[in-house]
Amino acid sequence: NAGVTQTPKFQVLKTGQSMTLQCAQDMNHNSMYWYRQDPGMGLRLIYYSASEGTTDKGEVPNGYNVSRLNKREFSLRLESAAPSQTSVYFCASSVGTVGEQFFGPGTRLTVL
Amino acid sequence: DAKTTQPTSMDCAEGRAANLPCNHSTISGNEYVYWYRQIHSQGPQYIIHGLKNNETNEMASLIITEDRKSSTLILPHATLRDTAVYYCIVSRVKAAGNKLTFGGGTRVLVKP
Repeated sequence: NAGVTQTPKFQVLKTGQSMTLQCAQDMNHNSMYWYRQDPGMGLRLIYYSASEGTTDKGEVPNGYNVSRLNKREFSLRLESAAPSQTSVYFCASSVGTVGEQFFGPGTRLTVL
Repeated sequence: DAKTTQPTSMDCAEGRAANLPCNHSTISGNEYVYWYRQIHSQGPQYIIHGLKNNETNEMASLIITEDRKSSTLILPHATLRDTAVYYCIVSRVKAAGNKLTFGGGTRVLVKP
């Protein structure tokens, strides 16, 4: 099993550009999450999906949209990137509402 | 969800037990205590979680006080590879997914 995979690993954008971060898991997990981590800080939840077909806002959703494409895939879209969105983005998944979340390797995004 | 308080940093000797404290004095009865760690800039790694009873797995032990206001993560024989930032998280079980709130964590340095 590959676990949680994220693409791309690195990305540089100019202010105002858009892009989609991809996340996929092969563990048949129900719940998926997107976090961001700014330098020297802990992770903050952007959006999550408790199950296929549902999504909900986390702590810092402004400037982002998500799509739970199917049970495996959960994408994060930046419609108009801003320098404040420079961060490392982590995707995670879990079987259900209690227990371990498995994290991907992260996408390092720089917005100039 | 209840807030947690952890030391900013601590050192421990290789081969010795590492005891990481966490204060969560406002924890509610239906909130779990989770521990994750993050090595360098990798995605966080789940260590252990518990509700009321002490828990042990192949990585660590979790000791929760009887009043549940604090807990201690014990790494029984620290190795250099245990150098990481350790996060103590309190999270309520919700039907809509397990949202984790990461604070600053404890930066643990294992020394030879």
